[in-house]
Amino acid sequence: QKEVEQNSGPLSVPEGAIASLNCTYSDRVSQSFFWYRQYSGKSPELIMSIYSNGDKEDGRFTAQLNKASQYVSLLIRDSQPSDSATYLCAVSFRGAFDGTYKYIFGTGTRLKVLA
Amino acid sequence: EAGVAQSPRYKIIEKRQSVAFWCNPISGHATLYWYQQILGQGPKLLIQFQNNGVVDDSQLPKDRFSAERLKGVDSTLKIQPAKLEDSAVYLCASSIGAPGELFFGEGSRLTVL
Repeated sequence: QKEVEQNSGPLSVPEGAIASLNCTYSDRVSQSFFWYRQYSGKSPELIMSIYSNGDKEDGRFTAQLNKASQYVSLLIRDSQPSDSATYLCAVSFRGAFDGTYKYIFGTGTRLKVLA
Repeated sequence: EAGVAQSPRYKIIEKRQSVAFWCNPISGHATLYWYQQILGQGPKLLIQFQNNGVVDDSQLPKDRFSAERLKGVDSTLKIQPAKLEDSAVYLCASSIGAPGELFFGEGSRLTVL
């Protein structure tokens, strides 16, 4: 059973600080990695995707992937109160039997940015 | 481009009643997913369709849940009879079928009393 683990939080950071969110996954078959943001009562929206080892930056967001350690993280610089949400880590892999792409989600980390 | 459409947005039923949710994916997306998200948890896959065929329903409680995707476009998820523990948001998502983003609908929130 493939698993994705996240600390449920809440993670509280002051406005303007760096928020660091972490995620580990259970197997080496996983190929693609995603961070989704979910506001309360809303559906998940993609904020970052990463496919290869290293860092990927997009504005205030940086995703980091280490496949050897089976670890993916999300850094949010200059955190704003509007960043307060649950952040879901998702991993994708190709099914061995049907060849389609599967997506497994972690439980999410609740981030609170304090004004 | 229109997003993933879902209805109804909210539904309240009594236990042992039935309910159906509808999803229309993004045009051209071959793969459709139904996820169940219980409050405080991450989305859990219930069933995955590739075109109009089921490719993964290993976590679908088949004694009470059923789903179909006729003609490889719209999909319906049905629960009959509902239990209290089925209270959750049912998220429909679609993808083009290659590695990449899952696009979610707004979800259907079910409350079972």
